[in-house]
Amino acid sequence: ELKVEQNPLFLSMQEGKNYTIYCNYSTTSDRLYWYRQDPGKSLESLFVLLSNGAVKQEGRLMASLDTKARLSTLHITAAVHDLSATYFCAVDISTGGGADGLTFGKGTHLIIQP
Amino acid sequence: SQTIHQWPATLVQPVGSPLSLECTVEGTSNPNLYWYRQAAGRGLQLLFYSVGIGQISSEVPQNLSASRPQDRQFILSSKKLLLSDSGFYLCAWSVDREIRPQHFGDGTRLSIL
Repeated sequence: ELKVEQNPLFLSMQEGKNYTIYCNYSTTSDRLYWYRQDPGKSLESLFVLLSNGAVKQEGRLMASLDTKARLSTLHITAAVHDLSATYFCAVDISTGGGADGLTFGKGTHLIIQP
Repeated sequence: SQTIHQWPATLVQPVGSPLSLECTVEGTSNPNLYWYRQAAGRGLQLLFYSVGIGQISSEVPQNLSASRPQDRQFILSSKKLLLSDSGFYLCAWSVDREIRPQHFGDGTRLSIL
């Protein structure tokens, strides 16, 4: 059974600081996704990581994937209040002709304070 | 462009009542469709997925069922709701299995009284 673990689950940080959210998973996969969820809202896709060593950046967020370590990171640079949200990583291990769903971590609730 | 619609947005139902949530996708054909549930303060749990009309795969045994009567329509149902069915239900779609992400609808917030 695939397990996806995020840490920390809760993070409070000040604006301007840097921090990293970690996502570990238990089964071989080279497809990992990061999503953002605002309170009471649906999920918004942030990054799609499809190979070992993949790195994607959008604004103050940067995501990377190490398939050998089964680890993905989401790095926040010079945080701003607008980045406050819950961030989820999700892993895809579907193979063959199927189109299985994603397995999500529990999410990291991020609060950025002025 | 592709869009996904879910309704209703919110629903309050008594225990033991039936349920029907609907999801439709526009602007694409033969999508893969998914139902997820998010309990309060927790991650998403995959409930059902479908790769085509009439094809439903269940991930978690429960008193819920899903149907796909048309290519771009996915329905989540229950004959008798339980208190534990409360949560935020999200429908999602994808097309290219190798290069997803899955795209999510706005969700239905279901409260069972």
